[in-house]
Amino acid sequence: EAGVTQFPSHSVIEKGQTVTLRCDPISGHDNLYWYRRVMGKEIKFLLHFVKESKQDESGMPNNRFLAERTGGTYSTLKVQPAELEDSGVYFCASSGDYRVETQYFGPGTRLLVL
Amino acid sequence: AQSVTQLDSQVPVFEEAPVELRCNYSSSVSVYLFWYVQYPNQGLQLLLKYLSGSTLVKGINGFEAEFNKSQTSFHLRKPSVHISDTAEYFCAVLEQGAQKLVFGQGTRLTINP
Repeated sequence: EAGVTQFPSHSVIEKGQTVTLRCDPISGHDNLYWYRRVMGKEIKFLLHFVKESKQDESGMPNNRFLAERTGGTYSTLKVQPAELEDSGVYFCASSGDYRVETQYFGPGTRLLVL
Repeated sequence: AQSVTQLDSQVPVFEEAPVELRCNYSSSVSVYLFWYVQYPNQGLQLLLKYLSGSTLVKGINGFEAEFNKSQTSFHLRKPSVHISDTAEYFCAVLEQGAQKLVFGQGTRLTINP
């Protein structure tokens, strides 16, 4: 069974540009989460989807961040326009209905905004 | 609000020595507890978890952790470490009924030969 995958693995962009991160959850997992680790800080929750619906987006830092999960499968996280403080590692995780409390993480996308 | 504290940001140990990585949490409700590991240039991997039952849980690669409710701790231990255990370890808490994990700051475990 394939795990959570994320694309790209790395992204280097300039301030003001747009970047879109993609996450493919484990097949059949309805729950999808985004987390972020800014340099030197702890990993923090951004938002949670159940299928295509946003269940909790309390961790989204501001309106420059837009997450979507059309069709309830893969998800994208767009940052527009990117700022220097957006640099960090963006993790995606998914969990199923049976063991909803156990989240499986992807390898992360390392974003550097110059 | 819940919080997680990993008391050591870095832990250097010699190969084959025992190690304990400390984790304390605060929460007003019952929680599930997790340890994740991030090996160099890799993503987060679930090491072990406590959901219910026995307070001593065993995970992958010879690690174990003990849930202590009275001390609100979930320390991670391994009796004998290997060079391949070099990684960053994260303790995380999930309030029962909630969906977002709250992580500690991470502990970098460095194994010296």
